[in-house]
Amino acid sequence: AQSVSQHNHHVILSEAASLELGCNYSYGGTVNLFWYVQYPGQHLQLLLKYFSGDPLVKGIKGFEAEFIKSKFSFNLRKPSVQWSDTAEYFCAVKEEAAGNKLTFGGGTRVLVKP
Amino acid sequence: KAGVTQTPRYLIKTRGQQVTLSCSPISGHRSVSWYQQTPGQGLQFLFEYFSETQRNKGNFPGRFSGRQFSNSRSEMNVSTLELGDSALYLCASSPPRVNTEAFFGQGTRLTVV
Repeated sequence: AQSVSQHNHHVILSEAASLELGCNYSYGGTVNLFWYVQYPGQHLQLLLKYFSGDPLVKGIKGFEAEFIKSKFSFNLRKPSVQWSDTAEYFCAVKEEAAGNKLTFGGGTRVLVKP
Repeated sequence: KAGVTQTPRYLIKTRGQQVTLSCSPISGHRSVSWYQQTPGQGLQFLFEYFSETQRNKGNFPGRFSGRQFSNSRSEMNVSTLELGDSALYLCASSPPRVNTEAFFGQGTRLTVV
């Protein structure tokens, strides 16, 4: 069965530091890839998505992610974080021909200290 | 455009009871998926409905069921509630095209006592 793993459960960093969150998935076929963010008390929001084409995708709020097919990875990056980036981040994978079913990673809680 | 709306936002039920949660998708979206979010298991897929038909199902017991109406609104039902069913239940809707993302509602926080 498809699985998605996020390498870090908790990350603590200071404002202006760079952030990189790892995500690996197990499915060998065609996939759509997503990063969602859940701010405290808010609903899941899409940060960015990859369907095809350029493996480097840019999302909202200065986030970007790189799809490396050979490594089954889709890592999220932000060069300089702000206190407002404190949230939980989820990587999600949708398999081709699986409708809109998303398989999520376990999430990474990011705390940015002011 | 209104987002995905879930009702109620909070619910407290007693073990053994049943519960029905409701989800109104974004206008024009025909796919509705349900997820359970818990601290221990994270986000787990329950099922997806598309044009009133269940298209996908996750690994949950038969106590969890759902349906979708002709206006794309969806309900999920949990019968014979157990303490472990306490969770945030999220609904997501997607537009009827390929290569699209899911839009999530605020969720219903279910507490079973």
